[in-house]
Amino acid sequence: GAGVSQSPSNKVTEKGKDVELRCDPISGHTALYWYRQRLGQGLEFLIYFQGNSAPDKSGLPSDRFSAERTGESVSTLTIQRTQQEDSAVYLCASSLSSGGTLPFFGPGTRLTVL
Amino acid sequence: AQSVTQPDIHITVSEGASLELRCNYSYGATPYLFWYVQSPGQGLQLLLKYFSGDTLVQGIKGFEAEFKRSQSSFNLRKPSVHWSDAAEYFCAAPDNFGNEKLTFGTGTRLTIIP
Repeated sequence: GAGVSQSPSNKVTEKGKDVELRCDPISGHTALYWYRQRLGQGLEFLIYFQGNSAPDKSGLPSDRFSAERTGESVSTLTIQRTQQEDSAVYLCASSLSSGGTLPFFGPGTRLTVL
Repeated sequence: AQSVTQPDIHITVSEGASLELRCNYSYGATPYLFWYVQSPGQGLQLLLKYFSGDTLVQGIKGFEAEFKRSQSSFNLRKPSVHWSDAAEYFCAAPDNFGNEKLTFGTGTRLTIIP
């Protein structure tokens, strides 16, 4: 596609449920990032994939968070046993490569945990 | 730790008036610096970037920013705002030199009044 797409655009879930958020990066982009944006705050880095290298998971806030990426395509961010503090907009971005190539961001998934 | 600070949470300006959004950084070396804009329901869009060289950089939509090492600032400016400029603006920089993980400021929400 022309840009990074994310689905769903909105997700409302109950506390304790698991959720999966999907990101389709721009075709050919080898690097993929997940960020979280809480209300009134800047973006927090969560995880970074680059090609076949081991992902940089240093930003994941707890072991309830995990992410996978199939090759250089789709990525899924999974949050298990959701908590209210997980409510945020989750942004995905992709770039051609690492090392200074700026990422293109998707529109985000707004997650609300009741 | 590297950080980016946006001291203004919310700014209101009249349409046609000039605009300056503040960004301060704390880095040991000359940083790469970026400004992104996030319109409602949209992903983040890169407005402009500073890597090196000319300290006044031009971006899209009539925006410019000036890197001032003495003030550790990278303020975003526009001579005359349009109603369509109403959005959230984020200043960002890599977590470390040459790193692709961006650290974002908390954002400044811009409101335009007639």
